[in-house]
Amino acid sequence: GENVEQHPSTLSVQEGDSAVIKCTYSDSASNYFPWYKQELGKGPQLIIDIRSNVGEKKDQRIAVTLNKTAKHFSLHITETQPEDSAVYFCAARGGNMLTFGGGTRLMVKP
Amino acid sequence: DAGVIQSPRHEVTEMGQEVTLRCKPISGHDYLFWYRQTMMRGLELLIYFNNNVPIDDSGMPEDRFSAKMPNASFSTLKIQPSEPRDSAVYFCASSAGWLGETQYFGPGTRLLVL
Repeated sequence: GENVEQHPSTLSVQEGDSAVIKCTYSDSASNYFPWYKQELGKGPQLIIDIRSNVGEKKDQRIAVTLNKTAKHFSLHITETQPEDSAVYFCAARGGNMLTFGGGTRLMVKP
Repeated sequence: DAGVIQSPRHEVTEMGQEVTLRCKPISGHDYLFWYRQTMMRGLELLIYFNNNVPIDDSGMPEDRFSAKMPNASFSTLKIQPSEPRDSAVYFCASSAGWLGETQYFGPGTRLLVL
């Protein structure tokens, strides 16, 4: 089955700096890659997703890039704000299953 | 819409007791998923339903776990008997179609088995 590795597990940045989270996947047939944000005490919420026919997608301060050859994809957050502090999960859909990475705890220091 | 609704939000029980977690998906969504989240194993898919029918339960850890979806607006996840290692946060999610559609998660049920 699919295996998704996510790095780093924790990331601390200063407000206004950029944050980058990287994921690799194992199943070359995977074609859908969502990113979720989980705030304390809440369920994960989708923030952006990308499909395998697209190399990059941007939504305001958030962007995701996909390299299908290398089987990795990344989340980029620019101009970070304290409210960006949360746990972020990448995921990949291989077959009928959505497999999640281990999560990255992002801390944005004011 | 109120989103995915889960109850209870917190559950504390003793080992050996039966635990029932409940979920109401978003109206009109035809897929429902049950996940478990722990520090050690992260987010794991336990089972998912399509049009109230269980499609894949390969993630269900053992026979102590069972899930039902008697109608389009209600699902339960039952653990009987519960064990301390079942302590986790259990999430329910729903989506309108599986192929790349957004999964909307509920707030979760935090279960502690003593």
